[in-house]
Amino acid sequence: DAGVIQSPRHEVTEMGQEVTLRCKPISGHNSLFWYRQTMMRGLELLIYFNNNVPIDDSGMPEDRFSAKMPNASFSTLKIQPSEPRDSAVYFCASSKLQGAQSTQYFGPGTRLTVL
Amino acid sequence: DAKTTQPPSMDCAEGRAANLPCNHSTISGNEYVYWYRQIHSQGPQYIIHGLKNNETNEMASLIITEDRKSSTLILPHATLRDTAVYYCIVRVWGGSEKLVFGKGTKLTVNP
Repeated sequence: DAGVIQSPRHEVTEMGQEVTLRCKPISGHNSLFWYRQTMMRGLELLIYFNNNVPIDDSGMPEDRFSAKMPNASFSTLKIQPSEPRDSAVYFCASSKLQGAQSTQYFGPGTRLTVL
Repeated sequence: DAKTTQPPSMDCAEGRAANLPCNHSTISGNEYVYWYRQIHSQGPQYIIHGLKNNETNEMASLIITEDRKSSTLILPHATLRDTAVYYCIVRVWGGSEKLVFGKGTKLTVNP
């Protein structure tokens, strides 16, 4: 299995620009998660989907952030406009909810730098 | 979800057992203990989880005290590749799939 695929792996952009991060979950998984990691705040959940439906978006910092999951094999996290404080590593994870049990598998992350 | 407390850092000699403690004194009856680790610059990796019985898999063993207020993750023969940040997380069984990561324990395996 290819695992969770994220693109791009690195992104450098200027303040004010739109940034789109992409994620392909593991085939057959029905939950998808977006996390952000910074030195100051650690690893925090932004949003998660189950069967392509957003379940918990309480971690989305503000309206500049949006996430979509148009189908079971693709999700995007968009930041518009981007700001320097958005610089972080963004991880996507997926899981297969079986009964009440699930294990999250993480992608390699996208390192975002906003200048 | 219950909070967890872990030491910020630990050292271990290569080939020896690494015992990583976690305190979760406010854990409730329907909360499981999960362990993940994050090797530098990589995404977190699932290790093991348990409710009240000791668990073992190919990566590690999990020992949960009888009162469930603490647990220990054991890497029986640590290697240099086990150097990572280890996170202990409690999560309600059947509840939200959300994982709340604390600061974890930075384990350094020394040659």
